[in-house]
Amino acid sequence: DAGITQSPRYKITETGRQVTLMCHQTWSHSYMFWYRQDLGHGLRLIYYSAAADITDKGEVPDGYVVSRSKTENFPLTLESATRSQTSVYFCASRGTGSSTDTQYFGPGTRLTVL
Amino acid sequence: GEDVEQSLFLSVREGDSSVINCTYTDSSSTYLYWYKQEPGAGLQLLTYIFSNMDMKQDQRLTVLLNKKDKHLSLRIADTQTGDSAIYFCAETHEFSGGYNKLIFGAGTRLAVHP
Repeated sequence: DAGITQSPRYKITETGRQVTLMCHQTWSHSYMFWYRQDLGHGLRLIYYSAAADITDKGEVPDGYVVSRSKTENFPLTLESATRSQTSVYFCASRGTGSSTDTQYFGPGTRLTVL
Repeated sequence: GEDVEQSLFLSVREGDSSVINCTYTDSSSTYLYWYKQEPGAGLQLLTYIFSNMDMKQDQRLTVLLNKKDKHLSLRIADTQTGDSAIYFCAETHEFSGGYNKLIFGAGTRLAVHP
């Protein structure tokens, strides 16, 4: 499928477990992003990547790890999940050819940490 | 600092106009954006305005920008039930490495009733 996809769409896990959320885009966009959405906070940037093998922290990176070995994939790992990481996670991508900073979002992953 | 503020909730009658307001802080933002999030979905770009414009119209949507007051608004004419969603205002903010990140407001939930 063309576009940006996330998996799983829903995940329930327990405190202390490792969880990986997947993100895949078919546009060969250079930039990819991970956000979390929490009530009253809007979207907060966790990590972003400017290209394969280039990643950098966003506003709320603690407790998360990312990698980008291929342009099209940008997995987000919670190394030891905590209840405060219960959230909806969105992946987004952006090309470099546009004059705007428009980002294209995936459908989200709802993560619950018990 | 970086802060985008929106009211959290707006209720309108079907057929009326909706006006969603936003204030932002970064006067150097080149573009300002409105994203729409329907239930269970990711964010979709609705429209954007270049910072040297005062107004942009796109079918039922009108965006007004007051740079002096750092105020952005989105007007939806003839609001329909399908417009019920969360609307996010976003500004660009210069980040490291030449990348401009998006700063999102908390979102305004628009409820359209008969």
